[in-house]
Amino acid sequence: NAGVTQTPKFQVLKTGQSMTLQCAQDMNHEYMSWYRQDPGMGLRLIHYSVGAGITDQGEVPNGYNVSRSTTEDFPLRLLSAAPSQTSVYFCASRSEPMRSPLHFGNGTRLTVT
Amino acid sequence: AQTVTQSQPEMSVQEAETVTLSCTYDTSESDYYLFWYKQPPSRQMILVIRQEAYKQQNATENRFSVNFQKAAKSFSLKISDSQLGDAAMYFCAYRTSYNNNDMRFGAGTRLTVKP
Repeated sequence: NAGVTQTPKFQVLKTGQSMTLQCAQDMNHEYMSWYRQDPGMGLRLIHYSVGAGITDQGEVPNGYNVSRSTTEDFPLRLLSAAPSQTSVYFCASRSEPMRSPLHFGNGTRLTVT
Repeated sequence: AQTVTQSQPEMSVQEAETVTLSCTYDTSESDYYLFWYKQPPSRQMILVIRQEAYKQQNATENRFSVNFQKAAKSFSLKISDSQLGDAAMYFCAYRTSYNNNDMRFGAGTRLTVKP
């Protein structure tokens, strides 16, 4: 199993550009989420989804959109990139029981100039 | 909101020695889950160990064990017989049992292992 696959691994954007970070999982997990990692702040939740067609905001949702049309895919869209969105982004998924740990993708390093 | 605090931004340990990483959390809930994740330079997030709050017994996974003090809201990670491959960022994380607004992470502790 591939687990959680994120693309791309690296991306450089100019301020105002838009892009989509892709995330796919092959574990049939209902729950998927996006985090951003910034130095000294750990990981912070951007958006999450508990199943196809259902999404909700996390701690830092501004500037990001998500959708969940299938169980497997959970893309993250940056509508108009800003330098404050320079970060490492992680997609994660888990199975239904609350005790289940998150399975993470390998992350995307995004730089906005 | 629940917060997770890792008070040690950096720690170092001699190879084969034991090191303890600290984590405290703030919550008013009684049922929750705690996790330690390791992030090596490859950036991958790897689950090290987890603990259910309702379990009094401390979790262990080979050389990794936790000291879970529920009343003190403390969840420290002990690494025994440290190896060079243990060098990484370590994140403590908390998840409530009551909703899906998922884990809260601490800021991390960077562990260096000296040969």
